[in-house]
Amino acid sequence: NAGVTQTPKFQVLKTGQSMTLQCAQDMNHNSMYWYRQDPGMGLRLIYYSASEGTTDKGEVPNGYNVSRLNKREFSLRLESAAPSQTSVYFCASSAQSGGRAIGELFFGEGSRLTVL
Amino acid sequence: GQQVMQIPQYQHVQEGEDFTTYCNSSTTLSNIQWYKQRPGGHPVFLIQLVKSGEVKKQKRLTFQFGEAKKNSSLHITATQTTDVGTYFCAGKNNDMRFGAGTRLTVKP
Repeated sequence: NAGVTQTPKFQVLKTGQSMTLQCAQDMNHNSMYWYRQDPGMGLRLIYYSASEGTTDKGEVPNGYNVSRLNKREFSLRLESAAPSQTSVYFCASSAQSGGRAIGELFFGEGSRLTVL
Repeated sequence: GQQVMQIPQYQHVQEGEDFTTYCNSSTTLSNIQWYKQRPGGHPVFLIQLVKSGEVKKQKRLTFQFGEAKKNSSLHITATQTTDVGTYFCAGKNNDMRFGAGTRLTVKP
């Protein structure tokens, strides 16, 4: 059981480049989330998917897009990266579904993104 | 908007000393969760509190949820070096908001 797997673990981009962070979970969870973690600011929700086929904006969605490809996979896309998007990104999943979901969150190992 | 404040930001203790981190919300919460993140690691769920005045224990860790459901605390008795990490609270109203975390370091 791998839990929540995210790729890549590290990425360096130039301003304006695009990239997609991939996330997959093997726990048959209904909900999936993308967070960013910045020093002194805790974890902030970017987007979430409370059930397969739905996605919703979180606290800081600007500059990002997401796709819930199927129940297992939830990807995060940066169309035109900016230095302000330098951060550590965590994907998470939970068994809870519907509404704004949450419940116990299971996190991936994180993806460290630097935008120059 | 909904805010979750956590103090202190940092805490350095001698091994064997106690440690407490506090979480305060600007709004009444339906529940609160606590997570631990080891240096370089990812957050790991510790516990969820739901009821007003609830107290839960996990070995040396004691979690409390305030009577008004607007504050919570995590207390560690007799810290060990394995307790090192950042402890986050996350409070749910309509949305779940994480506090900024308390980074605990323990001197052996």
